[in-house]
Amino acid sequence: GQQVMQIPQYQHVQEGEDFTTYCNSSTTLSNIHWYKQRPGGHPVFLIQLVKSGEVKKQKRLTFQFGEAKKNSSLHITATQTTDVGTYFCAGSPIGTDKLIFGTGTRLQVFP
Amino acid sequence: SAVISQKPSRDICQRGTSLTIQCQVDSQVTMMFWYRQQPGQSLTLIATANQGSEATYESGFVIDKFPISRPNLTFSTLTVSNMSPEDSSIYLCSVGQVSSGANVLTFGAGSRLTVL
Repeated sequence: GQQVMQIPQYQHVQEGEDFTTYCNSSTTLSNIHWYKQRPGGHPVFLIQLVKSGEVKKQKRLTFQFGEAKKNSSLHITATQTTDVGTYFCAGSPIGTDKLIFGTGTRLQVFP
Repeated sequence: SAVISQKPSRDICQRGTSLTIQCQVDSQVTMMFWYRQQPGQSLTLIATANQGSEATYESGFVIDKFPISRPNLTFSTLTVSNMSPEDSSIYLCSVGQVSSGANVLTFGAGSRLTVL
C-alpha cells in the first residue's frame, strides 16, 4: 500500500539549533501538506505544496517539495521552545482527495 | 476555517460494547474524514464519510466494525463496534476545505477511547 515515511522519528535539539525532518512517499503525490501537533493537541495545518521543486517559507520554517513529487522536507531555523511538537507530512496520491499521513517526527527543544 | 465539535472528548468503555462518536461542523462541507491515532503514532485514515451514500473505507477497516453515518453536510458519526482493548485510540474527525488556494484539513479535538 501507499506509505509515507519520515525521518528522524525523534529529534532533541538545544534552543537556537536548526532542525530538519524529511518525508518520503512510496508513490508520486499531487501535493504535500505539513501539520504540527502539539503534545495533547490535534494536528494543525501549516502549509501545502503543489508544484515540483516548490519552496515556501513561513518565518523560520522552510518547506520544500521534491522534483519527483515523492519527497519533501521541513527545516526550522533557530528553534524555539514553542516549536515543540510532532510534525507530520501528508500527501495526496494522484487521483485522490484523501491525505496519507507520514510517520511523524517528534521535536523536543531544550532551553 | 471550519470549527468542529467532537464528542465525547474521552470515554472508558468495556470490552464488547459499542460507542458512537459525533462530529458537528459549523458550516457545510463536502469532504469529511475519520482518522485514528494510536498513542504515539501517526494518523491512519479510516474512511471518507460521504453525504447521502455509504462511506468509503480504507484497507483494513470495514463497515461492520466502524459504521459511519453522514446525514447532511454538517454532521457525521463514527461507531466503534464490539470494542476490544486494541481499539483504544484517539479518533479524529476532519473536514477538507479550500483555503487560500490550498485544500486544508481541519481536525476536531479528537475522542480518546480507552477499552478495558
